[in-house]
Amino acid sequence: EAQVTQNPRYLITVTGKKLTVTCSQNMNHEYMSWYRQDPGLGLRQIYYSMNVEVTDKGDVPEGYKVSRKEKRNFPLILESPSPNQTSLYFCASSLRASSGNTIYFGEGSWLTVV
Amino acid sequence: QKEVEQNSGPLSVPEGAIASLNCTYSDRGSQSFFWYRQYSGKSPELIMFIYSNGDKEDGRFTAQLNKASQYVSLLIRDSQPSDSATYLCAVKLMGGTSYGKLTFGQGTILTVHP
Repeated sequence: EAQVTQNPRYLITVTGKKLTVTCSQNMNHEYMSWYRQDPGLGLRQIYYSMNVEVTDKGDVPEGYKVSRKEKRNFPLILESPSPNQTSLYFCASSLRASSGNTIYFGEGSWLTVV
Repeated sequence: QKEVEQNSGPLSVPEGAIASLNCTYSDRGSQSFFWYRQYSGKSPELIMFIYSNGDKEDGRFTAQLNKASQYVSLLIRDSQPSDSATYLCAVKLMGGTSYGKLTFGQGTILTVHP
C-alpha cells in the first residue's frame, strides 16, 4: 500500500529538548516536504526536498532542520523546540516536484512544546 | 497580500444545495491548482486539480479556473452532511526559485446542515 508514515503521531515535549519527527514513504518519490498547520493559517511549508541530498527552505524554516540522506526518508529536526512550534505537522511526498496531481500526505504529527 | 486567499467561512448550506468555494492567488506564474478536503484532525485529501482555464467536472465536484482573474473555485452539487469539512485551495508554482512549491490558502470551513 502506498503510504507516507510519520512518527510520532503525538508528542508532548519540553522547551529545548531536541526531537526528531520521522517521515518515510514507500513510493520511490523524489519530492518530499514538511508542513505545519495552525488554526486560521492553513498549511505552511517548512522545508522541501527535490531529491536525495537536495533540500531547501519553505516559508517558515526557522527553528527546523531537515536531511535527505535516503530517498525514502525525510526527518524533521527541532534542535531546541519552543512553545511557538506547537502545531500539527504533515509530511508529504510526490513523484517529482513537477508532478501536477497526486501528493500523498502522512497522517500528521501533533506536537506540543511546554 | 497573501499568496493564496480563501474566505475562511464558515460557509453553511442546506443539504442538497450547491456549495461554492472561492480562492484567489497572487502569483501569475502559478500553473497548477488543487482543492483538498480536510476533516478535523485528519490529513488533507485531494479532491481535484486543474491546469487549464475553464471547468473540470468530477462527479458532484466542479473546479473552475480563470487565470486572467487569478481565481479558482470549487462547486459542490447536491451537498451532503458528509461534505462538511475544511476545504483547502493550493497553488503550485513551476518556475523560478519556488519550483514545485505548493502554497495553501487558509481554508474554508463548510457546514452542510440537514
